[in-house]
Formats: sequence, structure tokens, C-alpha cells
Amino acid sequence: DQQVKQNSPSLSVQEGRISILNCDYTNSMFDYFLWYKKYPAEGPTFLISISSIKDKNEDGRFTVFLNKSAKHLSLHIVPSQPGDSAVYFCAARPNNAGNMLTFGGGTRLMVKP
Amino acid sequence: KAGVTQTPRYLIKTRGQQVTLSCSPISGHRSVSWYQQTPGQGLQFLFEYFSETQRNKGNFPGRFSGRQFSNSRSEMNVSTLELGDSALYLCASSLLSQGGLSSPLHFGNGTRLTVT
Repeated sequence: DQQVKQNSPSLSVQEGRISILNCDYTNSMFDYFLWYKKYPAEGPTFLISISSIKDKNEDGRFTVFLNKSAKHLSLHIVPSQPGDSAVYFCAARPNNAGNMLTFGGGTRLMVKP
Repeated sequence: KAGVTQTPRYLIKTRGQQVTLSCSPISGHRSVSWYQQTPGQGLQFLFEYFSETQRNKGNFPGRFSGRQFSNSRSEMNVSTLELGDSALYLCASSLLSQGGLSSPLHFGNGTRLTVT
């Protein structure tokens, strides 16, 4: 069963607008969540993370929101830039599980100039 | 600071052979993890090492194994290769210590393994 799901395989946004990427999870033991960006032929690049004790974390143009009751997190990118075009993965891990991350299937973001 | 380094970048092997992949973590990182990425299954956790000890293992057959050396460098080995083992193998390191605070994984660019 997929414990972390990204239901939108792709998303297209105009440059300068907001990109919102969504992720749902089912395992209530998850308490640390991360977002990664991936370009072809490269490894995933860490973007931002959030612990379950928070509901929001910001880093520059990137903000992650966590809704524990809905088991949902989202990544907001404002403003979107063409260089943001990549595949975005959300990942989660339970407490005391080391680095055993469970990844979603990814969302391909295309930012049009 | 140098990132996570994986060698080789590309590898072609024949069914039944074995392969060893190498990973050098970011300096100071003591936790090293391995992940497999395939089009069908996505990114899946293989195993994690900390201080030369395997601390977590994913749901993969025993043909997949790994180890970590005293300098935190790690290797993974796949024996009796099957066609389905063709994938991008990613190594990642972090500052996470035993019982420590959560810290993000930083990935290398991977080794692309093709089994023919």
C-alpha cells in the first residue's frame, strides 16, 4: 500500500505565479516530512522539511504546510520560476526510524515563461 | 563542502553477475542510506548504516547487501543480478545520529545500473 501519495503526476504554472504541490499520507506514525526536487540524471535535492510539532515552515520562496488531522502536506513556491521546473517528491519518516524515508511518486512541475 | 559522491555513474552488467557500488558521504556525516529508483516502484529504501552498523533495512531480498567503513564510506552489493535490478541506485548521507534530532538526507547523483 502507498503510505505517501502525490495524486497529481504533473502541474503546469505560469512564471511568477504560485505553485502548490500536494502530498497525502496514511501512516500516523510519520513525524518528519521533507520535500525534494529532482532533475533528470541527478539525485534528489533537499528543499525544505517540517516536523510534526509545527504546521508551517518557510525558507525563502518555499513554504511547507502540514495538516496533521487531514494527514496532508503541501509545498508552496512563490513566485515560481522556470528553473523550478523539475520533479518534486515528498517524503516522510516515523520517529526513531533513522533515515528510512517513504517517498511519494512525485509531481512534475513545469513553469512556463 | 563536497557533496555525496557515488561511483561509478553508469554500469552495465549481465544477469547472474554481481556488482558493487560505492558511496562517499558528505564530510562529517555518519549516517549513509541507499535507495533504489525505478519507473514502476519509485524511490524505495534499501538500507541505512550508522557507525558501521546496519540500523534499518527495507523490503529487498538478501541479494542486496551493504556495509559501511570506519571513515563512513559505504558500499552496496547486489549478487546474482536480475533484469529487474536495473535502476538508479542513490546513496544519501545525513548528520542524523543515534537518537538525535531529525536532519535531512542529502543525495548523490546515483549509479545507473543496467542489467542485460
